[in-house]
Amino acid sequence: GNSVTQMEGPVTLSEEAFLTINCTYTATGYPSLFWYVQYPGEGLQLLLKATKADDKGSNKGFEATYRKETTSFHLEKGSVQVSDSAVYFCAPRGGSQGNLIFGKGTKLSVKP
Amino acid sequence: NAGVMQNPRHLVRRRGQEARLRCSPMKGHSHVYWYRQLPEEGLKFMVYLQKENIIDESGMPKERFSAEFPKEGPSILRIQQVVRGDSAAYFCASSPRTSGLETQYFGPGTRLLVL
Repeated sequence: GNSVTQMEGPVTLSEEAFLTINCTYTATGYPSLFWYVQYPGEGLQLLLKATKADDKGSNKGFEATYRKETTSFHLEKGSVQVSDSAVYFCAPRGGSQGNLIFGKGTKLSVKP
Repeated sequence: NAGVMQNPRHLVRRRGQEARLRCSPMKGHSHVYWYRQLPEEGLKFMVYLQKENIIDESGMPKERFSAEFPKEGPSILRIQQVVRGDSAAYFCASSPRTSGLETQYFGPGTRLLVL
């Protein structure tokens, strides 16, 4: 079945630093790929998505490109803010009925 | 357009009691997914339902857990005879269709604590 591997956290950065969170997946075919963000005590919010190879998803300064050849969907942001502190989940679509496959998430802490 | 609603937000049960978690999907969404998040873990798929039908329950524990999505009303995740290991955050997500292109929208979750 499909699976996902995310870089281990926690990641601690200073404000305005560059962010990369690595995500690789194994999948049958070419599933849609999603990044979700979870703020403390809350549910998951969609951050961005890409539905086919070479697509770039972007939102709120975050970007991720669907790389078929490396089966990766790394999340990047050029200048992080304290308000970006959260847990980030990479999630390919998985099973036959389209459920999402989640890794453990990467906790990001941004210090002022 | 209201988002996905879940209630209660927090639920405390003693071992052996029953827990009922409710999920109202976004308006116009007829597909519901339930996920469980154990402490410091990612979310794990449990079950996928459409109105009046269970489509995929491959992630559900074989005993004590059941789910339904009736024609009228919210989807219900039911846990009978809860044990301490059931303590977790339970999230539901809804989407308008099952296409792999569709985004799933998550509710705020129900945090279950079993004493």
